[in-house]
Amino acid sequence: DAKTTQPNSMESNEEEPVHLPCNHSTISGTDYIHWYRQLPSQGPEYVIHGLTSNVNNRMASLAIAEDRKSSTLILHRATLRDAAVYYCIRTWIQGAQKLVFGQGTRLTINP
Amino acid sequence: NAGVTQTPKFQVLKTGQSMTLQCAQDMNHNSMYWYRQDPGMGLRLIYYSASEGTTDKGEVPNGYNVSRLNKREFSLRLESAAPSQTSVYFCASSESELNTEAFFGQGTRLTVV
Repeated sequence: DAKTTQPNSMESNEEEPVHLPCNHSTISGTDYIHWYRQLPSQGPEYVIHGLTSNVNNRMASLAIAEDRKSSTLILHRATLRDAAVYYCIRTWIQGAQKLVFGQGTRLTINP
Repeated sequence: NAGVTQTPKFQVLKTGQSMTLQCAQDMNHNSMYWYRQDPGMGLRLIYYSASEGTTDKGEVPNGYNVSRLNKREFSLRLESAAPSQTSVYFCASSESELNTEAFFGQGTRLTVV
């Protein structure tokens, strides 16, 4: 079961941090956690991925719980351009053909 | 830097017509993918090509064929379009089949009437 659970929607304000949660309680030890986002009328865009340790890149940070049953995508300072649907995806192996996109979290950013 | 380019951007077909969706990438990637996205839904994998000369079925391959023409191009063909194939189609590429970072095109919005 490759299911993850995310809130359907979240709202935040511009220039504030955003924490997007993802639950993957049935995760196995070799599953990776990936985050993609999809801006309106565009294709998905890779954000970040990780296995066990917290990860940082220029777009965001990924915090993975010690038991790996949940993770949080952190946008440190939201802009209007960050309004998108965010997908949390787990795969047992790396490779885009293993990505299963659920319905994601629709993030609204208020000016 | 164009990335992944899909043509056409929009298309309306009559039931039973055929058409080919084109996709090209300029990043020298080995792996390419076709997804469809129905309204309000996530993406579903139709076919993928791990490397030039190979193709494999994804989650929803029925009604579609693909051709990996060369390293740059990966086309998706609908032989006899059906209303159930009305969707937005996305092409993507990645460095290899083991690479998680995929780059997506802007999509082709297809309506079958």
